[in-house]
Amino acid sequence: GEDVEQSLFLSVREGDSSVINCTYTDSSSTYLYWYKQEPGAGLQLLTYIFSNMDMKQDQRLTVLLNKKDKHLSLRIADTQTGDSAIYFCAENTGGFKTIFGAGTRLFVKA
Amino acid sequence: SAVISQKPSRDICQRGTSLTIQCQVDSQVTMMFWYRQQPGQSLTLIATANQGSEATYESGFVIDKFPISRPNLTFSTLTVSNMSPEDSSIYLCSASTGLNEKLFFGSGTQLSVL
Repeated sequence: GEDVEQSLFLSVREGDSSVINCTYTDSSSTYLYWYKQEPGAGLQLLTYIFSNMDMKQDQRLTVLLNKKDKHLSLRIADTQTGDSAIYFCAENTGGFKTIFGAGTRLFVKA
Repeated sequence: SAVISQKPSRDICQRGTSLTIQCQVDSQVTMMFWYRQQPGQSLTLIATANQGSEATYESGFVIDKFPISRPNLTFSTLTVSNMSPEDSSIYLCSASTGLNEKLFFGSGTQLSVL
């Protein structure tokens, strides 16, 4: 079946790198996404990667995909207090349905 | 991209009543969806709102409890009927422009049922 798992909490110091990990089960996933949710707001797409890629970089964000292990990670360089939020990993298996993980709450300590 | 306006942003309701949540997109989109987000849990898809026809519900969700309308390509409503405290949650409207396309989200409706 379809399932996306991620750890619930991560705490880092301001200026350090954050790495949020995610595993998924559906090998037919075509797109994998990272969404960010700030308090009282909806989800905002941060970045995404197509399943035939293994890395994507976008400014401070680096996405790594290990398709063999069904493992996705999001690295945030030089983490700032404004990066404190919940980060959701999600997969799309080629249809209209997107499956979300439970979200990782990132705490950034000044 | 699409900007989604959702209202109300929050409400406190009495048990047994119903609440209708509205979702307006600023451009024509192919797909509209309704999700529920319970504290500490992932987003759960309630249904896909189909324009001009009945919504497609996911397992565990039924039309009598969560009637959905989508009269045109840019607007949808979700009603939470005969509410109980177990319905307390955040309800999110989302939309996409097509197959495999990323989702855009409204800011959510925080519902508390007393």
